[in-house]
Amino acid sequence: EPEVTQTPSHQVTQMGQEVILRCVPISNHLYFYWYRQILGQKVEFLVSFYNNEISEKSEIFDDQFSVERPDGSNFTLKIRSTKLEDSAMYFCASSEVIGDNYGYTFGSGTRLTVV
Amino acid sequence: EDQVTQSPEALRLQEGESSSLNCSYTVSGLRGLFWYRQDPGKGPEFLFTLYSAGEEKEKERLKATLTKKESFLHITAPKPEDSATYLCAAPYSSASKIIFGSGTRLSIRP
Repeated sequence: EPEVTQTPSHQVTQMGQEVILRCVPISNHLYFYWYRQILGQKVEFLVSFYNNEISEKSEIFDDQFSVERPDGSNFTLKIRSTKLEDSAMYFCASSEVIGDNYGYTFGSGTRLTVV
Repeated sequence: EDQVTQSPEALRLQEGESSSLNCSYTVSGLRGLFWYRQDPGKGPEFLFTLYSAGEEKEKERLKATLTKKESFLHITAPKPEDSATYLCAAPYSSASKIIFGSGTRLSIRP
């Protein structure tokens, strides 16, 4: 069964450092997303991406965040200057269409720890 | 304000003891209601999409139903491997993002 693959599974970084989280969405999917989940809290929307541009972003997704599809297979989330409160699980997801009948397919996540 | 609320927060059942999880939503122009399963340290795993009141979907011991204001996830004769957090979610009116409930942590004792 097709999967969304995320790397690394766990990243520890110093406050103020830049991090890049990587995702390989399902190959025939056209819509890509990043969500995050702070420990013990809800899964929260960060950004959606289609046709090489951001479709929608949340209030969380400020100037410190950026997304990119550098080639035909990867989708990345960059945090320029990490803060302690950025510590969370970050999930990449993809879907074939908006509001896909089969929901979105999520990856297993990257646990980001900012120290 | 668009919102998805789940109850109970946690549910402990004996193996074989059937029960239901609740999801209430206030989302304008509902474009579907999703149920996901999440295991510890993993991403949400898609279970069902429901689109209209009265719709039902089944998968093994799980059945999801939808009314105009609520959805229920019924679990029949659960097994320990059904232990997980079950998440309800709905697309926002823009449809390019989904809002999640806080989940129900289900534990099934052998």
